[in-house]
Amino acid sequence: GAVVSQHPSWVICKSGTSVKIECRSLDFQATTMFWYRQFPKQSLMLMATSNEGSKATYEQGVEKDKFLINHASLTLSTLTVTSAHPEDSSFYICSARGTGLDEQYFGPGTRLTVT
Amino acid sequence: GNSVTQMEGPVTLSEEAFLTINCTYTATGYPSLFWYVQYPGEGLQLLLKATKADDKGSNKGFEATYRKETTSFHLEKGSVQVSDSAVYFCALNSGYSTLTFGKGTMLLVSP
Repeated sequence: GAVVSQHPSWVICKSGTSVKIECRSLDFQATTMFWYRQFPKQSLMLMATSNEGSKATYEQGVEKDKFLINHASLTLSTLTVTSAHPEDSSFYICSARGTGLDEQYFGPGTRLTVT
Repeated sequence: GNSVTQMEGPVTLSEEAFLTINCTYTATGYPSLFWYVQYPGEGLQLLLKATKADDKGSNKGFEATYRKETTSFHLEKGSVQVSDSAVYFCALNSGYSTLTFGKGTMLLVSP
């Protein structure tokens, strides 16, 4: 089946620094990737949708200058949290969908802790 | 807007017990409905889906029927196993590529 990986699985950073999270489709070409944020005991909230080679489309209320998304290739998308603050601490999950695939495949998630 | 409401957990059951996790939704149009499962340390996996009213999705002994009249998509399994312990998410897709998720329900099955 289609596999999506994320790296790192867990990251701790200091307030004010930036951190990059990678999302890779391992055995298919991901024409569309999605980034979600999940708070404890909360639903997954879609942050943005990115198509390969295009600018990401952000959901209402998501700061695009703070959460930089790059989808430069058909197998890699990155989410960079810039100038992170403790309130950015969360579980970030990506998913990917490829041509001819009718469902999204999810990565295992990345837990970000900002101290 | 679209929304999904599912029962809060954790749901704690003994092995071989009957499982029901309730899910109701609000959506415009005619959404497709999904159940995803997340095992510890892993990503979400599609468990089953239904694309129109009265459809029944089934997989691995789990079933859910798309009930338009009650806007529900309850997940059921006749006999749960310890290996079914996971978090279950109900979700809908109303014609666009984005999914709207419920908050998730943790299932704990004891031997």
